[in-house]
Amino acid sequence: EAGVVQSPRYKIIEKKQPVAFWCNPISGHNTLYWYRQNLGQGPELLIRYENEEAVDDSQLPKDRFSAERLKGVDSTLKIQPAELGDSAVYLCASSLGLRGGTEAFFGQGTRLTVV
Amino acid sequence: GQQVMQIPQYQHVQEGEDFTTYCNSSTTLSNIQWYKQRPGGHPVFLIQLVKSGEVKKQKRLTFQFGEAKKNSSLHITATQTTDVGTYFCAGLAGSNYKLTFGKGTLLTVNP
Repeated sequence: EAGVVQSPRYKIIEKKQPVAFWCNPISGHNTLYWYRQNLGQGPELLIRYENEEAVDDSQLPKDRFSAERLKGVDSTLKIQPAELGDSAVYLCASSLGLRGGTEAFFGQGTRLTVV
Repeated sequence: GQQVMQIPQYQHVQEGEDFTTYCNSSTTLSNIQWYKQRPGGHPVFLIQLVKSGEVKKQKRLTFQFGEAKKNSSLHITATQTTDVGTYFCAGLAGSNYKLTFGKGTLLTVNP
């Protein structure tokens, strides 16, 4: 069974430029998460989808971040414009169940560097 | 908002020594999950605890969930070099079922 697939693995952009990350969750998983992880820190939730619905986006900086989950499967996370402080690893995860009751499977992450 | 705190932040042990990391939540949890992240890797699920006072074992790893469902611990007996990594707890709480990660404990093992 394929795991959670993310692309690209690495991205270097100049500040004020846009950037997009893509995530393909495990087939059949209803819940999809986007987390941001800074060096030496735990993952911080940006947004959680249950099927197509964004059920928790309270920590998504909506002035510059946007996300969508296409047909309740793949998801993209976009930053426009990027700032230096956005440099981090962006992790996508999926889980079979809803409401956090089952384990989350993480992708390899996208390491973003904003210069 | 909900906060999940972990201590210690770092722990260095000699191979064969025991290791424990502690997790405390500011709110009562529905469940708690533990993950391990190897250097340069991504978090990998270890276990989920749901019941008050629950204890689960996986070989040399013992996980506990406090009676008040606000704290948890992970204990590793006789550490090995393969145990190196950062151990995160993640607590599920609130009506929006938010999973909040602690900052993790980085374990290094000297062979």
